Formats: sequence, C-alpha cells, structure tokens
Amino acid sequence: ETGVTQTPRHLVMGMTNKKSLKCEQHLGHNAMYWYKQSAKKPLELMFVYNFKEQTENNSVPSRFSPECPNSSHLFLHLHTLQPEDSALYLCASSQPGGTALYEQYFGPGTRLTVT
Amino acid sequence: SQQGEEDPQALSIQEGENATMNCSYKTSINNLQWYRQNSGRGLVHLILIRSNEREKHSGRLRVTLDTSKKSSSLLITASRAADTASYFCATEAGGFKTIFGAGTRLFVKA
Repeated sequence: ETGVTQTPRHLVMGMTNKKSLKCEQHLGHNAMYWYKQSAKKPLELMFVYNFKEQTENNSVPSRFSPECPNSSHLFLHLHTLQPEDSALYLCASSQPGGTALYEQYFGPGTRLTVT
Repeated sequence: SQQGEEDPQALSIQEGENATMNCSYKTSINNLQWYRQNSGRGLVHLILIRSNEREKHSGRLRVTLDTSKKSSSLLITASRAADTASYFCATEAGGFKTIFGAGTRLFVKA
C-alpha cells in the first residue's frame, strides 16, 4: 500500500454516461496528479494540483474535468468520452521540498473502458 | 519536448543475472527518477538521482547519471523473479511537471 487509494478500480461506461474517478491520499502531501496510461504509450500527465490550486493542465480535452476540494482528495469527472479514452488512469501525490522533492506516490489506478 | 526514452524496450534474463536498462533525455534536468510498475498497477518510486550526482545505490539497485550525454542507467543485480515489471525513468525540469519514458519491460525467468 502506497497511501494513495483510487476508486473504482474498474469502470465500464458508455459514451453518453457521466462518471467520476476518486483519489484519496493519506500521506499529508500537498500536490496531487492525474495521469493517463494507454497501451504502448508513455505515461501522460493530465493535471496537477498544488495546495488545491491547479498548476498544470496538459491540453486535456474538456470532457475530462478535475476537481480538488482539499489536499487529500482529487476527482476526475468524465462525460461524453470517446473509445480512445479507454486507459488506466493513475493518481499520484507528492510532498514538495527536501530530499523527496517530486518523488511521487501512485495509487493502483482505475481501468476505464469506454464502449 | 523533453522525454525520457528507455532502452531496451524489453529484456528477458535468468534469475540471478544482472539487468541493465538505459534512459536518454533531451533537455537539462534537475533530477532523474526511476519507477517500477507491476502489470496493471500503480508505479512505485525506486530511486532519485540529482543532476550533480553521478552514481547512487539502493540495495540491489545502482543508478548512474551522465548529464553530458543526457543519459542514465539502472542496474539491478542478482535479479529475482519478483523483479519482473516495467521500469520507467522520469525527468523533472522545474515546476510539478514530470515526464515519463515509455519504459523497459523486464522478464526474470526462474
């Protein structure tokens, strides 16, 4: 266990559905991240939040909407997705500063299938 | 854009042998990290090496960094079947943006 949990672990949704992915970290970190991992492609950074403020949006389509209500929770709201959005979505957190600068702790991921 | 690229893409070895994976990147970095990912799971941080360091050890892991060649290597000594996983290098060049490579898939046969 890394101290980062993600729910659900698996999700199948239609293109017209609305769903949300949840991430929670129990490490006292201040930065949280969403990544997309597709087959045979490098891990893609989607969003970064630091102290609840969004600091990175890596040109992600608006059908993905992040929300960070506090430093421990991160959501990814999904609507009108496309089949190519099927992937493993990973959440991570980190504590800036010191020798662990930017070392990230990852959750187990949500396997998303869009039908 | 900056990106770590691992080499080889896949590596198959016998238990007990050493495994070496390489990573190349394109722009200046502040540090470089190596992560491991078991199939379909999250990534686990292995080791971080700063740009002013040339070598770092952690248990059976040895990481080198050559900033003049913009490359790093990860050596796993006396490999075990449990080391079977994908290994990624990640570079950070400021802010919170971390760029991951495509990874090396390591198979350790018992």
